[in-house]
Amino acid sequence: GESVGLHLPTLSVQEGDNSIINCAYSNSASDYFIWYKQESGKGPQFIIDIRSNMDKRQGQRVTVLLNKTVKHLSLQIAATQPGDSAVYFCAEKKGAYGGSQGNLIFGKGTKLSVKP
Amino acid sequence: GAVVSQHPSWVICKSGTSVKIECRSLDFQATTMFWYRQFPKQSLMLMATSNEGSKATYEQGVEKDKFLINHASLTLSTLTVTSAHPEDSSFYICSARDRVDTQYFGPGTRLTVL
Repeated sequence: GESVGLHLPTLSVQEGDNSIINCAYSNSASDYFIWYKQESGKGPQFIIDIRSNMDKRQGQRVTVLLNKTVKHLSLQIAATQPGDSAVYFCAEKKGAYGGSQGNLIFGKGTKLSVKP
Repeated sequence: GAVVSQHPSWVICKSGTSVKIECRSLDFQATTMFWYRQFPKQSLMLMATSNEGSKATYEQGVEKDKFLINHASLTLSTLTVTSAHPEDSSFYICSARDRVDTQYFGPGTRLTVL
């Protein structure tokens, strides 16, 4: 289930189950979104991105869904594995279509814990 | 893919000393580099944006005289934490943006100020 800790929400799933991590973004003008995975003591690692002209994008075992109406982003991980245990951050940015107008703004993050 | 390195990966220093952290883009040129700070169980907070050959742009609340940033070349940016204090202990992460606007993150530097 999902719980909110002192700073970081945690999602616990069983190995093999699907995981869904949610993110509410803040700027309605943002047009580019990225999901990052961060393992303990390491920098963020790119997982998948999506531009605002799409509402779904699939990668290997991961799917990102974008709902611009409610400013919501989700990351779905299929057949979750112990190696998926990490903190996941969504990030938003304005300026996907040429130029570099905006900086990445990171969400609060969700800790995914996979039980064997 | 593109690689960004940071050095050192961790550092412990005494209060009042200065610490320099290097960020390098290893196989691409980065006109823009970013410095983030991350406290335990929190998200990455942008500290400053560093453009090669010009002064860094600092985010609100970040002291430019305390966190000195130098971006002397297209592959190197440095962050110097001057007169470090225990509250500066944090995980510092840099990222580098290439010419097609893709941002790559470094592995981070753990700073502990005693």
